[in-house]
Amino acid sequence: QVQLLQSGAEVKKPGASVRVSCKISGYIVSDLSIHWVRQPPGKGLEWMGDFDPETGAGIYAQTFQDRVAITADTSISTVFLELRSLRGEDTAVYFCATPRADGSLDLWGQGTTVTISS
Amino acid sequence: DIQMTQSPSSLSASVGDRVTITCRASQHISSYLHWYQQRPGQAPHLLIYAASNLQSGVPSRFSGTGSGTHFTLTIRSLQPADFATYYCQQTYSIPYTFGPGTTVDFK
Repeated sequence: QVQLLQSGAEVKKPGASVRVSCKISGYIVSDLSIHWVRQPPGKGLEWMGDFDPETGAGIYAQTFQDRVAITADTSISTVFLELRSLRGEDTAVYFCATPRADGSLDLWGQGTTVTISS
Repeated sequence: DIQMTQSPSSLSASVGDRVTITCRASQHISSYLHWYQQRPGQAPHLLIYAASNLQSGVPSRFSGTGSGTHFTLTIRSLQPADFATYYCQQTYSIPYTFGPGTTVDFK
């Protein structure tokens, strides 16, 4: 049974970077696509990008293109989301999730709260 | 980017009510439309995939219809656990955009 376990809450200053991890158990990470979705407080869901295991590269929403990176370390079965040049609007809960073949997200991590505060 | 809209943005209902939520895409997305339920403080939960297919373990009172640009989620007889926020998402083209959500609360 596949499970996703995310890293703990982070507090960062504006301009800094944050790296959130998503550890996969019960599956081979090199065969698994992982998507990242975020949710600002009291707001809706925003798709950020995904890790494509076939190419070993991230695919990103244009909104984040120049300051996001999604990578994987297969030796520890973990996918990482790095977001740079943080600003207040990046305060959110960040979720990792695995997709079905049609892209629907059927398994989610528990979420990681990232707070940007000076 | 494909824009997703939902209506209504919120609704008040009672246990036993039939509830219908509409999702529209700004362009054709075939059946690449999925519905999620999210309760406060929890991760979203997949209810319906590919417009009309019930995810394993989801009660049969949930159903989805539509294709192209117009989709609906129906809850046949609202139960206490169903008071939550519902989102649609398209995965026809990147970025995989979500609708703004519909909150179902107690009347």
